[in-house]
Amino acid sequence: EVQLVESGGGLVQPGRSLKLSCVASGFTFSNYGMNWIRQAPGKGLEWVAYISSGSSYIYYAETVKGRFTISRDNAKNTLYLQMTSLRSEDTALYYCARRYYDGFAYWGQGTLVTVSS
Amino acid sequence: DVVMTQTPPSLSVAIGQSVSISCKSSQSLVYSDGKTYLHWLLQSPGRSPKRLIYQVSNLGSGVPDRFSGTGSQKDFTLKISRVEAEDLGVYYCAQTTHFPLTFGSGTKLEIK
Repeated sequence: EVQLVESGGGLVQPGRSLKLSCVASGFTFSNYGMNWIRQAPGKGLEWVAYISSGSSYIYYAETVKGRFTISRDNAKNTLYLQMTSLRSEDTALYYCARRYYDGFAYWGQGTLVTVSS
Repeated sequence: DVVMTQTPPSLSVAIGQSVSISCKSSQSLVYSDGKTYLHWLLQSPGRSPKRLIYQVSNLGSGVPDRFSGTGSQKDFTLKISRVEAEDLGVYYCAQTTHFPLTFGSGTKLEIK
């Protein structure tokens, strides 16, 4: 069974940093590109970043480019999102989701990031 | 960026009725490989999104065949035949042909 489990969310002050993790199981993690997608409270879905299976291709939404860094450790079956210079508008539930060209077939349960002083 | 316009924003439907949701993109979603990367997802209340249909018309694993997707280029439709109570939630279309990947604003389906 495919499982994606996010962690690392919490309450953080504006301008500070936070690192999210997503541990994958039930499939060969190193074969799949991965995404971070977020959802602000009461709002819709916003794609944040993508990393290919071997980390050769990385893409970001303009809203996070230069502040967020997506990475992965295939040996640990783990996807990361390093978030710096956090803003109130980054407050959201952050999901990791597998691949994209098959419509994000698997999602985690999400980890909540709240940016507030 | 590709803008995805979903209509209607909300629907109220009785059990057993059929319903359609429209999704229009600001650019063609046909990729250079000839495939169209338009997908539909459902977010049930309090749950993570779940993929329903991928690449316009392919049913996701375990998704009932009451769900169907059609369309091409820039105009797409999700149809739910014989709506059931478990179908309530917010439906999103998503395009993954062009980066940045983008989602529609959602259609909230309520059961009468």
